[in-house]
Amino acid sequence: GAVVSQHPSRVICKSGTSVKIECRSLDFQATTMFWYRQFPKQSLMLMATSNEGSKATYEQGVEKDKFLINHASLTLSTLTVTSAHPEDSSFYICSARDPTASYEQYFGPGTRLTVT
Amino acid sequence: TQLLEQSPQFLSIQEGENLTVYCNSSSVFSSLQWYRQEPGEGPVLLVTVVTGGEVKKLKRLTFQFGDARKDSSLHITAAQTGDTGLYLCAGYAGNNRKLIWGLGTSLAVNP
Repeated sequence: GAVVSQHPSRVICKSGTSVKIECRSLDFQATTMFWYRQFPKQSLMLMATSNEGSKATYEQGVEKDKFLINHASLTLSTLTVTSAHPEDSSFYICSARDPTASYEQYFGPGTRLTVT
Repeated sequence: TQLLEQSPQFLSIQEGENLTVYCNSSSVFSSLQWYRQEPGEGPVLLVTVVTGGEVKKLKRLTFQFGDARKDSSLHITAAQTGDTGLYLCAGYAGNNRKLIWGLGTSLAVNP
């Protein structure tokens, strides 16, 4: 199946700083990528839909100025958590949709963010 | 409003037992997917079902899509400790291209 990578896999940052997470589709072009947040033993919560070349669509309750999403190319989307707080600590997962494969979504391995 | 009701939320069983996880909805889904996720990793797609009444088997796992495409089940036969993980159902309702997720079932298979 298609491969989606995320970098970094783990990151620890201090309160007030910003951290960027990258999501790449390695063997297909993804016009649409998704960013999810997940708490332990819970389901995925969609944060935003990232469309190449246009503004991201954020889900209700997700602060767009805090979670900046950029989808500058067909294989790369980035999520920047700005002015991080300890409550932003979570597991962030991206997925990419392959338009040539019945819109299957392929998931990255996730990024564990810890804000101290 | 949770469009996909997944149950049970937690399940702890002994190795060798059978189990079934359910996903139910009042909405019709054009397709439904089952994922398995291990701690610290992303979800891995197990199967996609698209046809009402469809049954798919993956070794000891049997997936069924309801005739009306409103519900699905995952049955595991003779569970093994390696089956431990979070099982998630997700699907596309109607023509909506946004994946709708169940709340997940955390399965622990004890030796």
